[in-house]
Amino acid sequence: NAGVTQTPKFQVLKTGQSMTLQCAQDMNHEYMSWYRQDPGMGLRLIHYSVGAGITDQGEVPNGYNVSRSTTEDFPLRLLSAAPSQTSVYFCASSYDGRREAFFGQGTRLTVV
Amino acid sequence: GENVEQHPSTLSVQEGDSAVIKCTYSDSASNYFPWYKQELGKRPQLIIDIRSNVGEKKDQRIAVTLNKTAKHFSLHITETQPEDSAVYFCAAFMEYGNKLVFGAGTILRVKS
Repeated sequence: NAGVTQTPKFQVLKTGQSMTLQCAQDMNHEYMSWYRQDPGMGLRLIHYSVGAGITDQGEVPNGYNVSRSTTEDFPLRLLSAAPSQTSVYFCASSYDGRREAFFGQGTRLTVV
Repeated sequence: GENVEQHPSTLSVQEGDSAVIKCTYSDSASNYFPWYKQELGKRPQLIIDIRSNVGEKKDQRIAVTLNKTAKHFSLHITETQPEDSAVYFCAAFMEYGNKLVFGAGTILRVKS
């Protein structure tokens, strides 16, 4: 019973590098989302998807891309990492956004 | 834009006392309001949620109240215990935009 699987758990990048954070869920959820968590700022929505082939921007989308080619996977791409992107990233999925959201274990990203 | 404001940012209570966390939201069409608890180093997990067709919901020591007219909702924890110490997040599902938006979080410390 995997739930939401998010990788990697830790990552250090140099400024300007790119990378992809992986997120997969096995609950057949239509709604998936990415949040970043910074001290004192809560969970801020980066991008979200209401189903395969559909994505939309959240509160802080700049510097990030997403795609949703399958129901199961929702990867987050950092195009050119900046120190301001140092944060903890969480992927979450739910049936339709209006029910319990299940979070991945989180990725602690440091950009130096 | 759509937002959720949460107060207080930190809350210290004595073991056995009650704790109250309050949130307000901007989208009057919102109809789903979950609360999440995040223990140190862990992922957020749902503890209780409420929909707009009810004004109050209880689950053992936890209760949530909703005032749709005033656009605010609150989490009440009674008989607090040390294991209640965590960060608590409120959230609202914004029907305009299909987004689950979180508050900035409340650090609850229960002193024994």
